[in-house]
Amino acid sequence: EPEVTQTPSHQVTQMGQEVILRCVPISNHLYFYWYRQILGQKVEFLVSFYNNEISEKSEIFDDQFSVERPDGSNFTLKIRSTKLEDSAMYFCASSEAGATYEQYFGPGTRLTVT
Amino acid sequence: AQSVTQLDSHVSVSEGTPVLLRCNYSSSYSPSLFWYVQHPNKGLQLLLKYTSAATLVKGINGFEAEFKKSETSFHLTKPSAHMSDAAEYFCVVRGPGRRALTFGSGTRLQVQP
Repeated sequence: EPEVTQTPSHQVTQMGQEVILRCVPISNHLYFYWYRQILGQKVEFLVSFYNNEISEKSEIFDDQFSVERPDGSNFTLKIRSTKLEDSAMYFCASSEAGATYEQYFGPGTRLTVT
Repeated sequence: AQSVTQLDSHVSVSEGTPVLLRCNYSSSYSPSLFWYVQHPNKGLQLLLKYTSAATLVKGINGFEAEFKKSETSFHLTKPSAHMSDAAEYFCVVRGPGRRALTFGSGTRLQVQP
């Protein structure tokens, strides 16, 4: 069964450093998403991406975040200058293009900013 | 804006007994509602979804949920719990015309032998 994969599973970085989180969505999916979950809090939507552009984003997704599909298989989330409060589990998801298609989630990357 | 409230942060049941995980939603429009499950060190897996068709929705692993508009509820049930059901369960809503999912705070289900 196809699945969304994410690398690395755990990333430790120092405050102010740039990080790139990587995801490989399911191959025939056209919509891609990032969510995050700060420890003890709810899963929060960050951004959705379709046809090489952002289709929807939350107020969390400010200028320090960016997303890219650098090739035909990867989808990345870049955080330019990490802050302590960026420490969280980051989930990638993908879905087919239809409005009712469910989102399939990866196992997450735990980002720890020290 | 839409939101969901999961009424219990922890639920503990004995193996073989029924499971009830409660969720209330708030939405200005007819929402799409989902239940996702997360096992330790695994991604979020879709259990079932409601998208304005039948109000009783059947999902994987024997779970089902009933959409009750009058009560703004979408409770998840299973007739008989299995040890493998122990996990975190999330009630999720999506507003019309949107892609973003809004998650509840989660309910941790423990299944006692």
